[in-house]
Amino acid sequence: GIQVEQSPPDLILQEGANSTLRCNFSDSVNNLQWFHQNPWGQLINLFYIPSGTKQNGRLSATTVATERYSLLYISSSQTTDSGVYFCAGKTGGYQKVTFGTGTKLQVIP
Amino acid sequence: SAVISQKPSRDICQRGTSLTIQCQVDSQVTMMFWYRQQPGQSLTLIATANQGSEATYESGFVIDKFPISRPNLTFSTLTVSNMSPEDSSIYLCSASTAGGEKLFFGSGTQLSVL
Repeated sequence: GIQVEQSPPDLILQEGANSTLRCNFSDSVNNLQWFHQNPWGQLINLFYIPSGTKQNGRLSATTVATERYSLLYISSSQTTDSGVYFCAGKTGGYQKVTFGTGTKLQVIP
Repeated sequence: SAVISQKPSRDICQRGTSLTIQCQVDSQVTMMFWYRQQPGQSLTLIATANQGSEATYESGFVIDKFPISRPNLTFSTLTVSNMSPEDSSIYLCSASTAGGEKLFFGSGTQLSVL
């Protein structure tokens, strides 16, 4: 199966700062998603982004499928952005979605 | 999108017993999945719950240990059988909608085995 590496593994930000999270895939993916797991464990789907760029408020994501990576941008971070961010994808016609290693983000006031 | 209700939200169980986790989706979905998340780790797929047929298990997971049912397009159960402390994890139900694109998750079941 595909391998999904995320960087950085841990990140501490001052409230109001911007950040970029990266996701690298070992193989081409045709279904790429970003998730936020809040401190209470709930997973929220942020983006479905197999290619191109999407924006949702302070968050945006870009996927360059040919180069097997995706980026998640967080601008003007808030304490509620804290938690773990996962990217996930699948290849070809295979139904299994493989999750990345995660980036743990802490936003401090 | 799909709203997924999962219960129980947490449980503390004795070694050797079994626990059944229920997952209810508010609309018909094509695919349902069960994941495990060990403390501080990423998510690992246990199996795909197939409606009306046996689940498809990933490497390292077997039906005798994790029997799964999916009697219709909105409901599934996962049983963790003959539990040991190594089964202490968060178990998550998920579903994808008709296009098979976005994945949605229930709130998870925090399981502790003593």
